[in-house]
Amino acid sequence: RKEVEQDPGPFNVPEGATVAFNCTYSNSASQSFFWYRQDCRKEPKLLMSVYSSGNEDGRFTAQLNRASQYISLLIRDSKLSDSATYLCVALNGGNEKLTFGTGTRLTIIP
Amino acid sequence: DGGITQSPKYLFRKEGQNVTLSCEQNLNHDAMYWYRQDPGQGLRLIYYSQIVNDFQKGDIAEGYSVSREKKESFPLTVTSAQKNPTAFYLCASSTPRRMNTEAFFGQGTRLTVV
Repeated sequence: RKEVEQDPGPFNVPEGATVAFNCTYSNSASQSFFWYRQDCRKEPKLLMSVYSSGNEDGRFTAQLNRASQYISLLIRDSKLSDSATYLCVALNGGNEKLTFGTGTRLTIIP
Repeated sequence: DGGITQSPKYLFRKEGQNVTLSCEQNLNHDAMYWYRQDPGQGLRLIYYSQIVNDFQKGDIAEGYSVSREKKESFPLTVTSAQKNPTAFYLCASSTPRRMNTEAFFGQGTRLTVV
């Protein structure tokens, strides 16, 4: 079983819609979590950190459920510019290993 | 400006040759990481280093080697033992001991075996 698992998609969503991604992690030693965005042929860039209490940044909301070992990302009022691959990331607090999921590809359709 | 720099951006290698990819950061980060990304795939961890003079194997270390002689530098050597080295290589750095601190990436090196 992979340490971090995501649905690879693709998700093809009309502009203005709401889309949600889930990600599960298997290592209970994971202590910090992030969502990264990667555009085609570019390096990943941080979208947002994920806190236990949940956090929101504009149209983006991230949630962490430690009991069920999953994190989620919600994008509201999607824009064409949201088209990208979204990567779920877990940091192991013991050995400081940073593990990425395979990514979920999102395409926003006009 | 602080950041993480990878070089070269594009690299071509003949089969059977070793090649070294450079990664330098001036962010004063303790940890550095090397990932490999194949087309349409996620990032797979090759090696990582928590402190100077120490590093650990990731999930796909075979055919690769690293060194961490300075805090700022974490070069990756792709050896001739790596059977399928053509890929996009990404280096990252962070301070993982501080909760919720992000990892920063270099712009990547595209390695092609010819």
